[in-house]
Amino acid sequence: AQSVTQPDIHITVSEGASLELRCNYSYGATPYLFWYVQSPGQGLQLLLKYFSGDTLVQGIKGFEAEFKRSQSSFNLRKPSVHWSDAAEYFCAVGYNDMRFGAGTRLTVKP
Amino acid sequence: NAGVTQTPKFQVLKTGQSMTLQCAQDMNHEYMSWYRQDPGMGLRLIHYSVGAGITDQGEVPNGYNVSRSTTEDFPLRLLSAAPSQTSVYFCASRDMTAGNTIYFGEGSWLTVV
Repeated sequence: AQSVTQPDIHITVSEGASLELRCNYSYGATPYLFWYVQSPGQGLQLLLKYFSGDTLVQGIKGFEAEFKRSQSSFNLRKPSVHWSDAAEYFCAVGYNDMRFGAGTRLTVKP
Repeated sequence: NAGVTQTPKFQVLKTGQSMTLQCAQDMNHEYMSWYRQDPGMGLRLIHYSVGAGITDQGEVPNGYNVSRSTTEDFPLRLLSAAPSQTSVYFCASRDMTAGNTIYFGEGSWLTVV
């Protein structure tokens, strides 16, 4: 059965520091992969997506993600975090039956 | 362009009552789906549809019914509400021809007492 794991429930980083959020998945074939961000009380905003091709994907707000087939991972990175990046981040995997991870809450320290 | 519209935004139900969450999209997307979001569990897929007349179950379908009589509408029915169905519900549609971008509604906050 397909599943998505985000191992880190909560991450705290200092403003200006780098960030990596982890996502591992289990799926029958290479699925479509997404990262979404959600601010409190808000809906979900797409950061980036991967379907095929270059395994390093650029998204909005300076985020990027790398697909590693051998590790079944799709980790999200940002070189320098801003206070406005504080939010909850969701990895999503699949196609018609798209599944979401439980989310990683990001806190940014001044 | 309205996108994905969910109604109502807030609802309080008593245990055993029934209700329908409405979802409409004006982008002519074939794919629509419903998720519920609970703290610490992310979004869980309830039901989805790949076109009018076609629906399928997701991860957590029990207690919910759907139908897809038109491309635009995908209502979610709670037949007999239970406190365990207290959640935030998101409807989504997807453009399967242009990068598979998913568009989410703003969410419906449902409390079952």
